[in-house]
Amino acid sequence: NAGVTQTPKFQVLKTGQSMTLQCAQDMNHNSMYWYRQDPGMGLRLIYYSASEGTTDKGEVPNGYNVSRLNKREFSLRLESAAPSQTSVYFCASSRQLDEKLFFGSGTQLSVL
Amino acid sequence: KQEVTQIPAALSVPEGENLVLNCSFTDSAIYNLQWFRQDPGKGLTSLLLIQSSQREQTSGRLNASLDKSSGRSTLYIAASQPGDSATYLCAVKRSGYSTLTFGKGTMLLVSP
Repeated sequence: NAGVTQTPKFQVLKTGQSMTLQCAQDMNHNSMYWYRQDPGMGLRLIYYSASEGTTDKGEVPNGYNVSRLNKREFSLRLESAAPSQTSVYFCASSRQLDEKLFFGSGTQLSVL
Repeated sequence: KQEVTQIPAALSVPEGENLVLNCSFTDSAIYNLQWFRQDPGKGLTSLLLIQSSQREQTSGRLNASLDKSSGRSTLYIAASQPGDSATYLCAVKRSGYSTLTFGKGTMLLVSP
């Protein structure tokens, strides 16, 4: 059982480049999330999808877009990367919004 | 705005000790509280979830308690082992909100 799978694990971008982080879960969960983790800041929610077909902004959505492609997949797109977006990005899922979270292993992103 | 504080930021103990990690939150109108474990370079693993109506939850050597009125939760680890070394985070879900607020974590080192 793979759980939550994120790709890529590492990425280096130049300022202004775009990229998409992919996330897939195989637990038939309804809700999916994107977080970023920065030293001294803790985890902060970027966007979430309560159920297939819906997406909502979290605490720090600026500079990001998301797509809930289907029930399994939830992608995060950086249209024009900035150094401030250097971070570790985690995808997570839960059966419903209020329930236990399951996390992927993270993507370490550096924007130069 | 909900704020979640974890004290201490770091803790070092010898193997076999019982220990307590603390989590405090400013808004007592919470829906639930989760404790997570994060190993270096890895994602988060949910350890325990306590609903607002509960006082405690137990899983093996772990026991989490919740006191909503005082805005506190504790994670008790019995008979600590080197394999318990990790960062422990608590996260609070406020009633009426869809998202979690995370603390910055307590880094635990258990020495053989």
